[in-house]
Amino acid sequence: AQTVTQSQPEMSVQEAETVTLSCTYDTSESDYYLFWYKQPPSRQMILVIRQEAYKQQNATENRFSVNFQKAAKSFSLKISDSQLGDAAMYFCAYRGGGRMNYGGATNKLIFGTGTLLAVQP
Amino acid sequence: GAVVSQHPSRVICKSGTSVKIECRSLDFQATTMFWYRQFPKKSLMLMATSNEGSKATYEQGVEKDKFLINHASLTLSTLTVTSAHPEDSSFYICSARGRGLGEQYFGPGTRLTVT
Repeated sequence: AQTVTQSQPEMSVQEAETVTLSCTYDTSESDYYLFWYKQPPSRQMILVIRQEAYKQQNATENRFSVNFQKAAKSFSLKISDSQLGDAAMYFCAYRGGGRMNYGGATNKLIFGTGTLLAVQP
Repeated sequence: GAVVSQHPSRVICKSGTSVKIECRSLDFQATTMFWYRQFPKKSLMLMATSNEGSKATYEQGVEKDKFLINHASLTLSTLTVTSAHPEDSSFYICSARGRGLGEQYFGPGTRLTVT
């Protein structure tokens, strides 16, 4: 069974600085998707970034980027120029099934335990 | 973007009563909906997956007679907590995925308190 591990329960960063959140996962599949979700105090889950395992290039969304190391099964999130609004719980998630079955009904998201990020002014 | 709503956002009920939570996809047809439970400062725990028009698939350890899920249309799924007890108090989140839409969109959640 697939598992997702986030080893940092809490992290803190100064405003405008850079922080990296760690995530490792375990799977026997070769084609899958990885996600980072943000859950602010409002509790609304927000998709931050997505990485397709078949792509070697690391995904980037503005100040958010990932370091995807497929062989090491590592998927870290880097937040640059941290802002107060970045303070939230961040969840790493895995979804199997691959490209041919991305819309597959039974493919479930498997979440890590989360990292609570505090941003200090 | 795709929007998922949940109603109510908060509900308080007495022990022994049942409470229904609605999840709606507002601008897309949700062929699959997921129900999660989240304890404070914890991760999301998948309770069940439902496909429109068919019975829900429950995760191991989730009582299907306790948590009734109905996905009657492509835009609506409901979770009914039957004979609620204080230990059912939690934050419940639904999520929806549309046909051909790989992304999963989350509702804002419902906080259930059972007194």
